Amino acid sequence: GAGVSQSPSNKVTEKGKDVELRCDPISGHTALYWYRQSLGQGLEFLIYFQGNSAPDKSGLPSDRFSAERTGGSVSTLTIQRTQQEDSAVYLCASSNGVNEQFFGPGTRLTVL
Amino acid sequence: AQTVTQSQPEMSVQEAETVTLSCTYDTSENNYYLFWYKQPPSRQMILVIRQEAYKQQNATENRFSVNFQKAAKSFSLKISDSQLGDTAMYFCAFMRGSGGSNYKLTFGKGTLLTVNP
Repeated sequence: GAGVSQSPSNKVTEKGKDVELRCDPISGHTALYWYRQSLGQGLEFLIYFQGNSAPDKSGLPSDRFSAERTGGSVSTLTIQRTQQEDSAVYLCASSNGVNEQFFGPGTRLTVL
Repeated sequence: AQTVTQSQPEMSVQEAETVTLSCTYDTSENNYYLFWYKQPPSRQMILVIRQEAYKQQNATENRFSVNFQKAAKSFSLKISDSQLGDTAMYFCAFMRGSGGSNYKLTFGKGTLLTVNP
């Protein structure tokens, strides 16, 4: 079956622009996670959606970051007014309650 | 808060030999899971092996096995008969919780493993 997919694969943007990153989880998975992977910080948790519950936003680094999950499936991570320190690989993962998270290939974001 | 420490930023091994990657963690939780993920240059994170904290028996998946020492909060990964395709970044990760629940992963900084022919 299809795994977790993410788009775009790579995104180059200019400082100050807004970007949207998309994640399509594995069908039927109730949990969806966003992580950020950067050279200086390693892999960091950003946000977590579980079913219809309020998302856990505790990892979002600033109010420029937001995410939504529509219909319990596709998720979009939005970064407003991008800064150079936002450059990183953004990874999405999904899970179906058996404690294994399946990761997508990531979106490499470069802010010039 | 949980922390995961991987003290070996880089390691190398000859093809067909055995290598052990170290991981220690700190937590006050009693129920948790530990994982080793592999990330090749393609960026795709792949689960290598998982261990439930309540299980005393060390997990094994083919050439991959762990040495889980709960009291010492240590979780090392042993790769036997190393293959060129094992070349990747390896991440140790912690997740709190019990069966049926989903929680975030806390990752170590990673160990870059190179398998030499």
